[in-house]
Amino acid sequence: GEDVEQSLFLSVREGDSSVINCTYTDSSSTYLYWYKQEPGAGLQLLTYIFSNMDMKQDQRLTVLLNKKDKHLSLRIADTQTGDSAIYFCAERTSGYSTLTFGKGTMLLVSP
Amino acid sequence: NAGVTQTPKFRVLKTGQSMTLLCAQDMNHEYMYWYRQDPGMGLRLIHYSVGEGTTAKGEVPDGYNVSRLKKQNFLLGLESAAPSQTSVYFCASSSGTGTANYGYTFGSGTRLTVV
Repeated sequence: GEDVEQSLFLSVREGDSSVINCTYTDSSSTYLYWYKQEPGAGLQLLTYIFSNMDMKQDQRLTVLLNKKDKHLSLRIADTQTGDSAIYFCAERTSGYSTLTFGKGTMLLVSP
Repeated sequence: NAGVTQTPKFRVLKTGQSMTLLCAQDMNHEYMYWYRQDPGMGLRLIHYSVGEGTTAKGEVPDGYNVSRLKKQNFLLGLESAAPSQTSVYFCASSSGTGTANYGYTFGSGTRLTVV
C-alpha cells in the first residue's frame, strides 16, 4: 500500500529557511499536500501541488516535487516563531477518495 | 463560515461506556472522514463516506461504527469504549476527486480519554 515518510523533527533559528522533506511510494499520486497543525488545533491546508508540476511558490512557501525520486519538500523562507507547528505531508492517488498522511514533522523555531 | 464543526471538544469515558461524536460541515462536501491521531502514529483513517447513506472502512475501523444519514453530518460511535481508544479524533470533509481538488477541511478535534 501507499506509504508517506517524513523526518520527525526539525529545529531552526528565527529568520533562517526551513526545509521539510517527504517521500512517498505511490507513483500514481495525483495531488500532494502540506498541512500545518498548531498545538491543540486541527490540520490546516497550507498548500498543494499537482503531480504534473515540479514547483509551486506561495509567498514564503515553496514546494518542490521530484516525481522520479518520489520526493516532496516544503521550504519556508524567513521562518518565524509562529511557524512552530507540526507539518504533515499527504498524497492522494487518482480515483481514490482518501489521503495518506505522513506521521508529521515537528518544526521548532527558536528566537 | 463554520466549515467543519466537531462536538464535543473533550470527553472522559469509563471503559465499557458508549458515546457518539458528531461532525457537521456546511460546505456541501460530498466526502467526509474520521481520523484518529496518536503520538508517533500520525493520522489513521477510521471510516469514511463518499456520499449520503454510504460508509466505508478505513485503516483502523474496529471498535467504531459510523452513519451518514444526512449529507452534512457524519457520526462516529463507540459502542463499548476501551482505553486503547483514548485519542484525538478529527473529522474532515472534501469536495471529492475532481480536478479542482484542494484536499480536506478539518475540524478542530475531539479529545477523548477512556479510563
